[in-house]
Amino acid sequence: QKEVEQDPGPLSVPEGAIVSLNCTYSNSAFQYFMWYRQYSRKGPELLMYTYSSGNKEDGRFTAQVDKSSKYISLFIRDSQPSDSATYLCAMDLSGNTGKLIFGQGTTLQVKP
Amino acid sequence: DAGITQSPRHKVTETGTPVTLRCHQTENHRYMYWYRQDPGHGLRLIHYSYGVKDTDKGEVSDGYSVSRSKTEDFLLTLESATSSQTSVYFCAISSDPESGGYTFGSGTRLTVV
Repeated sequence: QKEVEQDPGPLSVPEGAIVSLNCTYSNSAFQYFMWYRQYSRKGPELLMYTYSSGNKEDGRFTAQVDKSSKYISLFIRDSQPSDSATYLCAMDLSGNTGKLIFGQGTTLQVKP
Repeated sequence: DAGITQSPRHKVTETGTPVTLRCHQTENHRYMYWYRQDPGHGLRLIHYSYGVKDTDKGEVSDGYSVSRSKTEDFLLTLESATSSQTSVYFCAISSDPESGGYTFGSGTRLTVV
């Protein structure tokens, strides 16, 4: 079993839809949780960064962490075609190592 | 990507040959990392560095070595390339990992034939 599981999709939604992306993990010691967005043939770029449990909102994006269930989510409101990309969750044990454990990524397509 | 450059962007090499990939940063960040990305596996850490001449192994380090003789450069060497090392390689930098501030390069697409 992988430490971090993420449904690869692809996920296809109409423009304006609310998108929910999820990851589960097995190591209860993870404390730092990230979401990256990766466009085709580009490097990942950090979208959201959360420490421990709770919610974090940034514009149309909301990240949720439920440590009791070992489950994290990324919600995208009012999705746009420009949101079409691969979304990767990542986790770190201590937050100061940079030794991230990534999910395999979910490919999202937002249709106009 | 601003401040971080990977070279080459694409490379095709033969099995058994040594290959060196370069990551160059202009941000003067202390921390540098090499990841590989493969279908079904996401990104996996190969090696990382906390400073000049301070490096350590990551999750998938077998067959790879690194060097960091200057703050700005982090080199990844495949000692004797194999087909299983065909992948996209990403370098990342950070000034403060605890803040989540990682910046990734655009990647090097390596094919071993």
